[in-house]
Amino acid sequence: NAGVMQNPRHLVRRRGQEARLRCSPMKGHSHVYWYRQLPEEGLKFMVYLQKENIIDESGMPKERFSAEFPKEGPSILRIQQVVRGDSAAYFCASSPSQIRGTGELFFGEGSRLTVL
Amino acid sequence: DQQVKQNSPSLSVQEGRISILNCDYTNSMFDYFLWYKKYPAEGPTFLISISSIKDKNEDGRFTVFLNKSAKHLSLHIVPSQPGDSAVYFCAASPNTGNQFYFGTGTSLTVIP
Repeated sequence: NAGVMQNPRHLVRRRGQEARLRCSPMKGHSHVYWYRQLPEEGLKFMVYLQKENIIDESGMPKERFSAEFPKEGPSILRIQQVVRGDSAAYFCASSPSQIRGTGELFFGEGSRLTVL
Repeated sequence: DQQVKQNSPSLSVQEGRISILNCDYTNSMFDYFLWYKKYPAEGPTFLISISSIKDKNEDGRFTVFLNKSAKHLSLHIVPSQPGDSAVYFCAASPNTGNQFYFGTGTSLTVIP
């Protein structure tokens, strides 16, 4: 039973390029969360998605960032026109249901984005 | 706005002794709390949780204590083992939302 799979594990982009990070949740999980960890900081919530729906994107920067979780395929976090400040570890987590008091998030190993 | 704070970036403990990791929060709407453990180059893994209706939850060597009036929780590991060396994140969730707010982490080193 594979865990949460993220790819690529490492991604290098030049300023102005696009970065696409993929996340396949655990089997049977329909809820996906994206978190960002900047150097020397904790995990910052970005977005919560269910299949084909964005439930909560209150942590997403208003510009250049978008996320989707299509009916088929992985969830994708897309960063357009990357800047150096986007360099971070991006973690995806999944859960089988809403996690209010019922369980926890299962995290992937993260995708480390470096912007040159 | 850091709603969950872990004020100790690092902690060193001798093997066999107790490790106490602390976490403070500011939002009185938080009612569910978790601890995650993270090794380098890996994703965080769930360790233990506690609901606000309890003040203590125990799982083997790990115990989480919650003091709602002080908005404080702590994780006790006893006895500490070298394999416990990792970064520990505290997280909290409000009863109105779906997101978890994480602290900045405490790096625990257990010295053999």
